[in-house]
Amino acid sequence: DAGVIQSPRHEVTEMGQEVTLRCKPISGHNSLFWYRQTMMRGLELLIYFNNNVPIDDSGMPEDRFSAKMPNASFSTLKIQPSEPRDSAVYFCASSSTWGGGSSGANVLTFGAGSRLTVL
Amino acid sequence: AQTVTQSQPEMSVQEAETVTLSCTYDTSESDYYLFWYKQPPSRQMILVIRQEAYKQQNATENRFSVNFQKAAKSFSLKISDSQLGDAAMYFCALEGFGNEKLTFGTGTRLTIIP
Repeated sequence: DAGVIQSPRHEVTEMGQEVTLRCKPISGHNSLFWYRQTMMRGLELLIYFNNNVPIDDSGMPEDRFSAKMPNASFSTLKIQPSEPRDSAVYFCASSSTWGGGSSGANVLTFGAGSRLTVL
Repeated sequence: AQTVTQSQPEMSVQEAETVTLSCTYDTSESDYYLFWYKQPPSRQMILVIRQEAYKQQNATENRFSVNFQKAAKSFSLKISDSQLGDAAMYFCALEGFGNEKLTFGTGTRLTIIP
């Protein structure tokens, strides 16, 4: 398995431009997460999907951010219009279920991240 | 609400020595899962070790082991025989039962001294 695949690895854009980040999860994983990492705020969960359905988008900072998962093998995170404060590394992760208990834990496999710089 | 605290922003250890990274947490859940993730300079997050809170036995993965103290809400990571490739940011994380959201700590940067 190639793991979680994200593109682009790096993106430099100007303020006001639209940015689209892409993610291909591991086949068979039924949950997908988008995280943002900055020095100031650490790792923040933006949104996650289960079986392609958005479950919790409470971490999405503003209406400028949107995420879709049209099928089990593809997701996008879009920022429109972008601002300098959106500069960060954006991670996509997919998960399988592990362990006992009532529901099992989500074991995340992360992609390599997309580093976004907004000038 | 869940919180995860890593009080050591940076740690260093001599190659081949042992180092322990601290993590404390707070949760209202009676059962949960705990994880340590590693982020090397390549920036990809890699799962190091995981623990089910309802299991008493501490998890081990080769040179990596945890000291899980449920009453104290502590979940430290011990790395034995440290190697240069262990240099990375280490993140402690918690997930409650039935809650798919992981809460991460702020990380500890580990430096290995040759």
